[in-house]
Amino acid sequence: GENVGLHLPTLSVQEGDNSIINCAYSNSASDYFIWYKQESGKGPQFIIDIRSNMDKRQGQRVTVLLNKTVKHLSLQIAATQPGDSAVYFCAENMGQGAQKLVFGQGTRLTINP
Amino acid sequence: NAGVTQTPKFQVLKTGQSMTLQCAQDMNHNSMYWYRQDPGMGLRLIYYSASEGTTDKGEVPNGYNVSRLNKREFSLRLESAAPSQTSVYFCASSKRGDSSIEQFFGPGTRLTVL
Repeated sequence: GENVGLHLPTLSVQEGDNSIINCAYSNSASDYFIWYKQESGKGPQFIIDIRSNMDKRQGQRVTVLLNKTVKHLSLQIAATQPGDSAVYFCAENMGQGAQKLVFGQGTRLTINP
Repeated sequence: NAGVTQTPKFQVLKTGQSMTLQCAQDMNHNSMYWYRQDPGMGLRLIYYSASEGTTDKGEVPNGYNVSRLNKREFSLRLESAAPSQTSVYFCASSKRGDSSIEQFFGPGTRLTVL
């Protein structure tokens, strides 16, 4: 979705279904990408990361896919649970040898019972 | 371990007032960061400190100063607060400043400038 300020892109899925959250990044030279989860009133929490020399990485119930050709990142969450409801941010590292993260707008994921 | 702690949790200032936001980490991390998050937006990097004794500007440094007091503590100062600085401020730390190291975030300070 486009950045419209207060109106975050939203995604609603049924509990137990799989979800896919997409992110477009801006800098073809970015070498590291992270997905964070942020629950209401809390700081971001690390989910999974991927380096630019990889195109896929799997964690527990989560998979990140990186397509450098079109500068696209996705987060797949398998068998969603109510606790997965949160805002999800992708971030790219635009620093050279230092970590200077640039965050996307975020996507609000709602898990319906 | 407490991880990353921030004080205060909430603050209301009048335009022109000054204040310092405090951040401390107990994970023996080398690098620390300050971000701001405006409603419905992602985080934006204000300043960072790759190691004790060094600080560098991020994406939105204007109106802020920082001090890396020691390895544990990294403070953010607003010298003359403006309504545009109303935001939630997050501090983060990472083991080192390499490009592929996870950052751990604090709970945030919610600042309102009237």
